[in-house]
Amino acid sequence: GAVVSQHPSWVICKSGTSVKIECRSLDFQATTMFWYRQFPKQSLMLMATSNEGSKATYEQGVEKDKFLINHASLTLSTLTVTSAHPEDSSFYICSASSGEGLEQYFGPGTRLTVT
Amino acid sequence: GQNIDQPTEMTATEGAIVQINCTYQTSGFNGLFWYQQHAGEAPTFLSYNVLDGLEEKGRFSSFLSRSKGYSYLLLKELQMKDSASYLCAVRDREQTGANNLFFGTGTRLTVIP
Repeated sequence: GAVVSQHPSWVICKSGTSVKIECRSLDFQATTMFWYRQFPKQSLMLMATSNEGSKATYEQGVEKDKFLINHASLTLSTLTVTSAHPEDSSFYICSASSGEGLEQYFGPGTRLTVT
Repeated sequence: GQNIDQPTEMTATEGAIVQINCTYQTSGFNGLFWYQQHAGEAPTFLSYNVLDGLEEKGRFSSFLSRSKGYSYLLLKELQMKDSASYLCAVRDREQTGANNLFFGTGTRLTVIP
């Protein structure tokens, strides 16, 4: 089956620093990758959608300058949380799809804690 | 926009059957997904419905009525490991990204002995 990995699985950083999270599709080419955020006991909220080689499309209310997304290849997308604050502490999950209308495969998630 | 509603919590007994309902309102319905999510883990795919009717897959079944904006996930022969959150997600073709999924708040199911 399709496998999506994320790195790191968890990270603790100090307020004001930046953190990069990687999302990789291991056995298929992901033309589209999605980034979600999930706060405790809440559901997944879509942050942005990225297609390989083009700029990400951000959902309303998500700051594009704070959450930098790069989808440089068909197997890798990165999310950089810039100038992180404690309120950015959350579970960040990526998913990948090999084409429009096809299933999304989720990564294992990255738990970010900002102190 | 999307408006997806699920019960927040449910409790059921091991070996029993439980039905988790999901209602939605969306302008360009293009499929409904059910995912299972254990605490601290990513969601795993359970089922997909795009046409009306029942889709059965082992102990899990999912039903869709597009005219009513309604779906349910049916879990049979409940096991303790089924304790998890169950997320209903809708795909909307009229959104910027046709693949985008919009999730409900999830139903936290607790299976008791």
